[in-house]
Amino acid sequence: QVTLKESGPVLVKPTETLTLTCTVSGFSLNDPTMAVTWIRQPPGKALEWLARIFSNGETAQSPSLEGRLFISKDSSKNQVVLTLTNVDPGDTATYFCARLLFGADILTGYAYNWFDPWGRGTLVTVSS
Amino acid sequence: SSELTQDPAVSVALGQTVTITCQGDSLRDFYASWYQQRPGQAPILVMYGKDSRPSGIPDRFSGSSSGGTASLTVTGAQAEDEAVYYCNCRDSSGLQLFGGGTKLTVL
Repeated sequence: QVTLKESGPVLVKPTETLTLTCTVSGFSLNDPTMAVTWIRQPPGKALEWLARIFSNGETAQSPSLEGRLFISKDSSKNQVVLTLTNVDPGDTATYFCARLLFGADILTGYAYNWFDPWGRGTLVTVSS
Repeated sequence: SSELTQDPAVSVALGQTVTITCQGDSLRDFYASWYQQRPGQAPILVMYGKDSRPSGIPDRFSGSSSGGTASLTVTGAQAEDEAVYYCNCRDSSGLQLFGGGTKLTVL
């Protein structure tokens, strides 16, 4: 059974650095057919993609948070870590990690990906 | 444009059919995936690729895509289908996009 679980602080002060950990089980972070991604959701708002990391360590981040957002992994611990620097109240959200899988349609050539499963999420509040 | 656009809300009578749409330039080159989120819960995958449905998702859910628009159809909507539905796809750089979500109300 594949599971992901987010952990980290509940409350962070403005200007501080937020560090969240996603601990996975049921698959390997070295599996080249999948990646791990972070997504957040401010209260009452839509989902926002943040970052992803492939098995080879290649990363990508949302352009809107570039420079503040970092993602890394420790395959031996089955963990993916998200770091967000210089937080402000606008970073208050539920943060989810999810497994990212890939595919392509043979007939049309269209590529696609999907997030499955998701962790339950962890609510982080940025406040002084 | 690197955005995905969804109608904020749609409603359907119990047992009837409803289609939720997602529009964006990236959908001309990549298929969407769809997620159902009930209040207080994490999203779950309900459709991906051309028309693939994960195990455990009822076959009343189906998907399609054409000319920059992806669609999620619920045929014979049930009360438990009431939720917010999000579309997602990648862009040409490999970055991920989410729609703003559509709140489905089952009357």
